[in-house]
Formats: sequence, structure tokens, C-alpha cells
Amino acid sequence: AQSVTQPDIHITVSEGASLELRCNYSYGATPYLFWYVQSPGQGLQLLLKYFSGDTLVQGIKGFEAEFKRSQSSFNLRKPSVHWSDAAEYFCAVGATNFGNEKLTFGTGTRLTIIP
Amino acid sequence: GAVVSQHPSWVICKSGTSVKIECRSLDFQATTMFWYRQFPKQSLMLMATSNEGSKATYEQGVEKDKFLINHASLTLSTLTVTSAHPEDSSFYICSARGGLQLAKTQYFGPGTRLTVL
Repeated sequence: AQSVTQPDIHITVSEGASLELRCNYSYGATPYLFWYVQSPGQGLQLLLKYFSGDTLVQGIKGFEAEFKRSQSSFNLRKPSVHWSDAAEYFCAVGATNFGNEKLTFGTGTRLTIIP
Repeated sequence: GAVVSQHPSWVICKSGTSVKIECRSLDFQATTMFWYRQFPKQSLMLMATSNEGSKATYEQGVEKDKFLINHASLTLSTLTVTSAHPEDSSFYICSARGGLQLAKTQYFGPGTRLTVL
């Protein structure tokens, strides 16, 4: 079974600073990987996803993530955060075998932006 | 594209009553829909997976007689919380996955806040 670890429960970053949110996964093959963002009281919005190919993927709102097979990681990055980026971020892994399409979510990282 | 809506966005009900939550895919056909539950400051817990026209598959520990799921069409799934009790109060989120290009990605609704008094 797949699993996801987000080691950082809470991160505080100054507005304009760079950001990296960590995500490590466990899965027997190449997984499908996702980053979602959730604002308070809202559903989840897809930021980006990796299925195959180029290991550096670009997403919405200026986010990118890099798939590193050797480290079983899929870290999310942004060069310069904005106050509106404050939210909860979830990394998720999806199985690639047909008939088992569930997503497994990490516990989330809460991002706080300070002026 | 790939927009999912939920209705209602919040609901308050008395203990013992039933509540129905709707999940709709607005601009694509959802072959599979998922229902999640989220407790405050926690991650999402998958409750069940439903495919159009067939019975839902429930995760271990989820009472299928309490959480009735119907996926009658390719754009609508409903979750009915029967005989709700205060411990059922939670944030319920659905997601939908379509065919072809959308097959590998779940798109989430905005969630429904349920409060049982």
C-alpha cells in the first residue's frame, strides 16, 4: 500500500521569500503524484500533478514540483510567496494499477505568510 | 474545466434526522466519485468510492447503512447521512474523476459543513 509523509506540520515564511514544502512517498512503482491546496473552509484545488516524463512539473499560481525517484520525494516549490498563498497544502499519491485508483494523502502542511 | 460543486455548503440538523449532500461534476462526466471526511486540522479520510450505476465501495470502518451513497448519473452522486448524531458533525468533501484525460486526476468540490445538534 502507498503512503505519504509531509514532515512539516507548519511552516512560516516571509512574503516574497522562497518556499519549499517537503513530500516523501512510499510506493512500489512509479506513482501518480499530486499537490493540492486548501483554504480554510474550502475544498481542495489541484496545484500540479506528475504522471510521467519530465520530472520538473509546473503548476498554477507559480508553483512547481520536482519528482526525485532516488529520494522518493515530490517537493513543492515557489520562488516568491504571496500573502494569498497562506493555506493548507496536501501532497497525495495515487496508485497506477487499474482498479486501485485511490489517493493517499499526507497529513498536510499549514503555510503561514508574515509581512 | 473540471469543476465540481457540492450542495449545500453547510447544513445544521437535529440529532436523528437524515441529511443529503449532493456532488455534481459541472463540465465533465464523472465515471468515479469519491467521498471524504475531514476533521478539523486533519487530512482527508476516504469514506467510499462510487462508480456510476453500481454500488459504492466503502472503506473499512465506514458504516454503509449510515452513509448511503448513490451515483445515479455520470454527473451526480449523493451522500445521505442517516439518523445523524453529533459525532457525525464534520466537513464532507467529494471528488470526481472523469474519463480519458481526466481519468487519473480527482477534482474536488468545495465541501459541505455538517453540524448535528
